[in-house]
Amino acid sequence: GDSVTQMEGPVTLSEEAFLTINCTYTATGYPSLFWYVQYPGEGLQLLLKATKADDKGSNKGFEATYRKETTSFHLEKGSVQVSDSAVYFCALSESGNQFYFGTGTSLTVIP
Amino acid sequence: SAVISQKPSRDICQRGTSLTIQCQVDSQVTMMFWYRQQPGQSLTLIATANQGSEATYESGFVIDKFPISRPNLTFSTLTVSNMSPEDSSIYLCSVKRDSGDGYTFGSGTRLTVV
Repeated sequence: GDSVTQMEGPVTLSEEAFLTINCTYTATGYPSLFWYVQYPGEGLQLLLKATKADDKGSNKGFEATYRKETTSFHLEKGSVQVSDSAVYFCALSESGNQFYFGTGTSLTVIP
Repeated sequence: SAVISQKPSRDICQRGTSLTIQCQVDSQVTMMFWYRQQPGQSLTLIATANQGSEATYESGFVIDKFPISRPNLTFSTLTVSNMSPEDSSIYLCSVKRDSGDGYTFGSGTRLTVV
């Protein structure tokens, strides 16, 4: 069945450091891939997505590339800010209805 | 994107009781989803609720334990019935926007059963 494996946290970085959160997936077909972010006290928000192989999703300085050969969708940001402190969830969806989520990675950025 | 108001944001309940979680959307949506996030685990879909029809439950979830109402296109409730400590989780509602493939999530209900 479909599943997502996500890098465990928590992750603590200094401001302006480089961020990578690893995500790999297992799917029977050709899923769309997503990163969601949950800021403290708020709901999950879509951060970025990619719908086919080699697509790159980007938003707010974050990027992730859909790698079919390695079944990965790693999240990266070149220079994190304190305001990026949140929980990040990798997810996939084949049907467009049901999502499969990773366990989430908590990121804390310190000044 | 759609704005979802979910409440309560948290509650502590006695075992054997029931809690109803409400999800209000600021626009009409066809499909609403209820998820559970147990401590240290990923989100798991409980059921899909479409207006005017019975909710569709995923494997491992039953209507008697998690009855769902969907009286109109902007509102849904999930009830966690006859609670036990194993039901302690975060419950989230989500909607699929009719205008595209985006999904919006509520802020979640953190439930603790004692």
